[in-house]
Amino acid sequence: QVQLVQSGAEVKKPGASVKVSCKASGYTFTNYGISWVRQAPGQGLQWMGWINVYNGETNYPQTLQGRVTLTTDTSSNTAYMELGSLRSDDTAVYYCARGGASYGLDPWGQGTLVTISS
Amino acid sequence: EIVLTQSPATLSLSPGERATLSCRASQSISSYLVWYQQKPGQAPRLLIYDASNRATGIPARFSGSGSGTDFTLTINSLEPEDFAVYYCQQRSNWPITFGQGTRLEIK
Repeated sequence: QVQLVQSGAEVKKPGASVKVSCKASGYTFTNYGISWVRQAPGQGLQWMGWINVYNGETNYPQTLQGRVTLTTDTSSNTAYMELGSLRSDDTAVYYCARGGASYGLDPWGQGTLVTISS
Repeated sequence: EIVLTQSPATLSLSPGERATLSCRASQSISSYLVWYQQKPGQAPRLLIYDASNRATGIPARFSGSGSGTDFTLTINSLEPEDFAVYYCQQRSNWPITFGQGTRLEIK
């Protein structure tokens, strides 16, 4: 079955960077884009960006431009999200999901809790 | 960016009743509207795409309608497992945006 499995929880200090991985299985990785979405504690969903796995094209929201970088490794069917200059309000659960430019986001990874604390 | 406004923020109903959730876009998004369900501690699950198409495995009691700027998610005959938070999302324009969510709680 189609599945996205994310890396484990992280604790980072303010100003540091974090890189979360998302390993895909059960489908042809290059046929679909990958989106990243985060959810702060008790809050709603915030889209963080999308990558076209086939050609590497990316799209980011203005609010995160310059701090977030999406990449993929097609040899291992893995997508990565790196967020830099971390602040306390970046504490959230980070999700990867298949899709973005068409259809809907489906499925989603299980989520990765990133905690920013000094 | 396109702003999605969901209403109500919280909806209190009993099992067996019908739920009607609204999502309004700040500009026309044609039919490029998606609905998700999220339960506590879980990732969101795709329910409806392109305003009215049920995703694979979604029960027929879930239906979506609307186009342009006004959209509705209807859940007929609520089951206990339907009580959750529901989000709408638009894929018409970058950046992708989500509504703030509607919490469907047991009355």
